[in-house]
Amino acid sequence: GENVGLHLPTLSVQEGDNSIINCAYSNSASDYFIWYKQESGKGPQFIIDIRSNMDKRQGQRVTVLLNKTVKHLSLQIAATQPGDSAVYFCAEKRVGSGGYNKLIFGAGTRLAVHP
Amino acid sequence: GAVVSQHPSWVICKSGTSVKIECRSLDFQATTMFWYRQFPKQSLMLMATSNEGSKATYEQGVEKDKFLINHASLTLSTLTVTSAHPEDSSFYICSAVTDRGGNQPQHFGDGTRLSIL
Repeated sequence: GENVGLHLPTLSVQEGDNSIINCAYSNSASDYFIWYKQESGKGPQFIIDIRSNMDKRQGQRVTVLLNKTVKHLSLQIAATQPGDSAVYFCAEKRVGSGGYNKLIFGAGTRLAVHP
Repeated sequence: GAVVSQHPSWVICKSGTSVKIECRSLDFQATTMFWYRQFPKQSLMLMATSNEGSKATYEQGVEKDKFLINHASLTLSTLTVTSAHPEDSSFYICSAVTDRGGNQPQHFGDGTRLSIL
């Protein structure tokens, strides 16, 4: 099936370091992107989103960067904590048949935070 | 706010059984709900989009007669896996939005783990 691609399946970092998770998307017309965090056995949890008219958006300890030229999205987590250990997915909004919006998810990156 | 609840959280049943999964938006009205399927260590794959009061829109390759979706109210959508077989074992997750046309995040339930023996 179609998906937004991720290059790194696993990222290991030391507690306190900054983490960067990358994502490449395929549809240059996409105008809305979301990062989700999924812990084991749970549903995805919204982290941060960004519209295509922005290059950067910041939240609490997280920053999303959007490079439309190369169709690349990244999630930066500052001062990574053990509680940040999870799988992170980027998602890209597409318009489905019937005019509704749907999300296409990337392959996911597992973030492992070590003490 | 924006809480989505799924029930049951896990189910084990025999091959040939039909299983119904409920997805409820607890504190908002969801014009649109989505059903995803996730295999271990894989991403979420959209199965279908469920709009209140109308037929669901299925993604390519998803059998609509196998996965029956009903969205009878603004707070409830159900997915019924008919005549389930072991290959249907998976993690099924629903999500909901209030406005199907806008730029807003989907809010997800905590999933239903389905195991078919």
